[in-house]
Amino acid sequence: DIVMTQSPDSLAVSLGERATINCKSSQSVLYGSNNENYLAWYQQKPGQPPNLLIYWASTRESGVPDRFSGSGSGTDFTLTISSLQAEDVAVYYCQQYYSTPITFGQGTRLEIK
Amino acid sequence: EVQLVESGGGLVQPGGSLRLSCAASGFTFSSFWMHWARQAPGKGLVWVSRVKSDGSSTNYADSVQGRFTISRDNAKNTLYLQMNSLRVEDTAVYYCARSSGALARLTSWGQGTLVTVSS
Repeated sequence: DIVMTQSPDSLAVSLGERATINCKSSQSVLYGSNNENYLAWYQQKPGQPPNLLIYWASTRESGVPDRFSGSGSGTDFTLTISSLQAEDVAVYYCQQYYSTPITFGQGTRLEIK
Repeated sequence: EVQLVESGGGLVQPGGSLRLSCAASGFTFSSFWMHWARQAPGKGLVWVSRVKSDGSSTNYADSVQGRFTISRDNAKNTLYLQMNSLRVEDTAVYYCARSSGALARLTSWGQGTLVTVSS
């Protein structure tokens, strides 16, 4: 199984500041035949289901604000929120869909400082 | 609008059974792979199972293999999860979700249904 490890476990950032969450996979999720990273990011607010933010490591889902961006390749990935808004308080998960079982990171809790 | 509505959760004793349903609307259900994932109280997300668009292929997490069965009825636009030999550690909110392919992100999720396994 591919193990996904996020850092940090929790993060407090001031409004308007940048937030950065890291995700590392235990093996590469870059598929050679199409040069795509099978990596997604989700946001989960309290009492709600997860919401897809980013897929293919860096493609924003329709409707997601452009302050959210994803980067990285192979085994190391980053989710960046360029200017934190109050509504961004949530738990963020990375997920690999390169192979089954599909696996998620443990989550990073983002709060306002 | 894509809608996924789970039902069937509740309280069950260890060793018992439960069948979850997920009613889909707003999209062509028979064209999408469907998944179940779960989240224990205060914990992270765990993928449980998936089924191909036509029901011909299924996969399971090791933790539920042999105890859970995923299925679908494309005529009724409904996804199922039959859960047998339930354990305390199966206690979680169970979500259904869709993806566009076998190896694809989970683009839409239901609100979830709570399963509590306790004596």
